[in-house]
Amino acid sequence: SYVLTQPPSVSVAPGKTATITCGGNNIGRKSVHWYQQKPGQAPAVVIYYNNDRPSGIPERFSGSNSGNTATLTISRVEAGDEADYYCQVWDNSSDHVIFGGGTKLTVL
Amino acid sequence: EVHLVESGGGLVQPGGSLRLSCAASGFTFGAYSMNWVRQAPGKGPEWVSFISSGFTIYYADSVKGRFTISRDNARTSLYLQMDSLRADDTAVYYCARGGPEPPFDYWGQGTLVTVSS
Repeated sequence: SYVLTQPPSVSVAPGKTATITCGGNNIGRKSVHWYQQKPGQAPAVVIYYNNDRPSGIPERFSGSNSGNTATLTISRVEAGDEADYYCQVWDNSSDHVIFGGGTKLTVL
Repeated sequence: EVHLVESGGGLVQPGGSLRLSCAASGFTFGAYSMNWVRQAPGKGPEWVSFISSGFTIYYADSVKGRFTISRDNARTSLYLQMDSLRADDTAVYYCARGGPEPPFDYWGQGTLVTVSS
């Protein structure tokens, strides 16, 4: 089955740029969604269809997707961005929704 | 405003059954696809099942044959019948609107299912 691979953790200083990757075989051919999850809360979408932002999500959040890697970029990182981030795709060959294992973003 | 409220979780013995419900409001329920997504303690989300507005259904391999998703558009409710429960089914179960290709744009607060003797 299709597998999405994320780094377990990413650390970044406030004001810097955080980059979270999501690897998958030819993931560039799929639509990738990104979710942010804070402790005790349900996940919430921050990027959908590779690079679209829901209303209310700051422009500091952006996404890209090409080849075998999708990327979530958070510019000018703030303390409030500290959370777990998950990528997600629809694998139409297996009719399964797939989540990545998640990346814990730590703001130093 | 969209609201999704899960209920029905609890403690159940291995091999037992449980039925989860998700009450939806604030949108035209029958027009949207819905899902169950679970999250084991300390783990990431795991998709469980999908049901479209036209009643197309998909299941994760880990629950196929044991879980049954259904919906009642008149009651604006989503259900998950869980049979032959195992310890590794222990998780918070969320209902989420959307999928399979569109994002899960709204989630409930979740209901905890604990499978233990």
